[in-house]
Amino acid sequence: TQLLEQSPQFLSIQEGENLTVYCNSSSVFSSLQWYRQEPGEGPVLLVTVVTGGEVKKLKRLTFQFGDARKDSSLHITAAQTGDTGLYLCAGAQGAQKLVFGQGTRLTINP
Amino acid sequence: DAGITQSPRHKVTETGTPVTLRCHQTENHRYMYWYRQDPGHGLRLIHYSYGVKDTDKGEVSDGYSVSRSKTEDFLLTLESATSSQTSVYFCAISVLPDRGYGYTFGSGTRLTVV
Repeated sequence: TQLLEQSPQFLSIQEGENLTVYCNSSSVFSSLQWYRQEPGEGPVLLVTVVTGGEVKKLKRLTFQFGDARKDSSLHITAAQTGDTGLYLCAGAQGAQKLVFGQGTRLTINP
Repeated sequence: DAGITQSPRHKVTETGTPVTLRCHQTENHRYMYWYRQDPGHGLRLIHYSYGVKDTDKGEVSDGYSVSRSKTEDFLLTLESATSSQTSVYFCAISVLPDRGYGYTFGSGTRLTVV
């Protein structure tokens, strides 16, 4: 049973389109993080959200933490080919360790 | 430059042989982790450490052991490698993940057990 469910698992869109990736759980998290991973490399932290309802923006990427701290979303505006990669959400539940979703593989076509 | 290195980057080994993967950090972070990444499963925690000689099991710890004799080194050993342990292994370090501090990951070790 996956503690964090990401959807969609695969997404292929054209450059310039908008998209949203979801990360859902029935559990409450003290913080939630988003990572991006490129082939042959480890994941790289994009953002951490800690407060229910929090919204953070990173250029064209907008991250939101659900009010109940059980879910999160990542919205990309005007996607670019450089946004291609595997996006992972991860939640902290104490004990100083993270649980990861299975990832969303995003392909932006030129 | 990320302060965390894994070795080797690639390894092919035979079933039944022991294998040790090394993670080295220069950040002096307290927490260190070993994850494996497999298609459809995301990243799954094998073992983690919260200090020298302090380690605990993760969700997929069977067949693996770890040691941390120095702050900077965290070793993962496959006691008797099996084909199901073919995977990409990632080491990560952190300050306090439940306070919002993220992980810094190594570049991974691709292990193939034949």
